[in-house]
Amino acid sequence: DADVTQTPRNRITKTGKRIMLECSQTKGHDRMYWYRQDPGLGLQLIYYSFDVKDINKGEISDGYSVSRQAQAKFSLSLESAIPNQTALYFCATSDSGLAADTQYFGPGTRLTVL
Amino acid sequence: DAKTTQPTSMDCAEGRAANLPCNHSTISGNEYVYWYRQIHSQGPQYIIHGLKNNETNEMASLIITEDRKSSTLILPHATLRDTAVYYCIAYFRSDYKLSFGAGTTVTVRA
Repeated sequence: DADVTQTPRNRITKTGKRIMLECSQTKGHDRMYWYRQDPGLGLQLIYYSFDVKDINKGEISDGYSVSRQAQAKFSLSLESAIPNQTALYFCATSDSGLAADTQYFGPGTRLTVL
Repeated sequence: DAKTTQPTSMDCAEGRAANLPCNHSTISGNEYVYWYRQIHSQGPQYIIHGLKNNETNEMASLIITEDRKSSTLILPHATLRDTAVYYCIAYFRSDYKLSFGAGTTVTVRA
């Protein structure tokens, strides 16, 4: 089984709809991240969490919110989706110890907002 | 974070070594060099990282120049499955954010 899973893998929604992307990990890591990737570009950090009670905004948090329900679960919500949020979304995890730098990524969620 | 510069693309013959350059002339003493790769829309995959010394693992070798202004990722025997976008990233080890640029698109040809 994959260490970092994301659901759904693909989603098509309409403008104005609320949508939630979920991420689960079995690596036992404290830190979790949400990134967004637009076609042909690198990844941009949306939100990150160092533990269940710690949530931080990244580079492009406007229009997004997150919830860290447990150490292993980190959800990303689009309260009112808009077409320019069409992108690939990746969840990642990392350890808080000496290997804190290495991030492990999930398979991604392809989101299309019509 | 220091800015990194990589070639946009490069080709490599299957079975040959692939040498991927990265320039990070403004890197600070506390910034590590990390390499990740992304195979066609999959999640990025960690390859290797280093600070000053050359590093080797089961996937690749990382050669960092003595002045730390540039580095080279070496895939010793490229296979078709190594076709991917390779990202060179410089960042503080106590930091949290990986700044992915455009990377180098590597195409391994049979």
